[in-house]
Amino acid sequence: GAGVSQSPRYKVTKRGQDVTLRCDPISSHATLYWYQQALGQGPEFLTYFNYEAQPDKSGLPSDRFSAERPEGSISTLTIQRTEQRDSAMYRCASSSRQGGETQYFGPGTRLLVL
Amino acid sequence: QKEVEQNSGPLSVPEGAIASLNCTYSDRGSQSFFWYRQYSGKSPELIMSIYSNGDKEDGRFTAQLNKASQYVSLLIRDSQPSDSATYLCAVNTGGGNKLTFGTGTQLKVEL
Repeated sequence: GAGVSQSPRYKVTKRGQDVTLRCDPISSHATLYWYQQALGQGPEFLTYFNYEAQPDKSGLPSDRFSAERPEGSISTLTIQRTEQRDSAMYRCASSSRQGGETQYFGPGTRLLVL
Repeated sequence: QKEVEQNSGPLSVPEGAIASLNCTYSDRGSQSFFWYRQYSGKSPELIMSIYSNGDKEDGRFTAQLNKASQYVSLLIRDSQPSDSATYLCAVNTGGGNKLTFGTGTQLKVEL
């Protein structure tokens, strides 16, 4: 696609529910990143994929968070048993390859956990 | 100490002036440095990238990098009201496969 797309753009859920967020990167991009951004803060790294491999998931806050990219293209971020502190903007970015290349961000998914 | 530090601002400059935004980082192994602009409610968009010591100019924007001092800056010449946004400094860390962002500096360009 022309740019990074994410869906849904907004998600409201109740505490304890599971949510899945989707990211569709720029079609030629091998590397995909997930970030969490709180209000007034910069994006914080969660995890990244190089094609379908997930070399680094050190930023995932807990084992309730998981991400997949099974075919090396679209990725999903799943949060199980959501908590109010999970409320944030979740941003996906992609780059043509790993290792310091420019990352292009999608519009984000605003998650609100009630 | 945070890995990437920025003054949160707001930094107010008059229209037509030079805005100077500063960033320091802690990982001496970092090789790639980026400035992103983020308008309120929008996603970050890349303004400049810099990889070598010295200055890099692109239109009204100049990025400056000093690896010895672990310092990177962004100068915006002839500031316009449309430049009013939060500017995020980002540094590749952890061997180059992730970006660490500062908290951002809010810039306000006043008429």
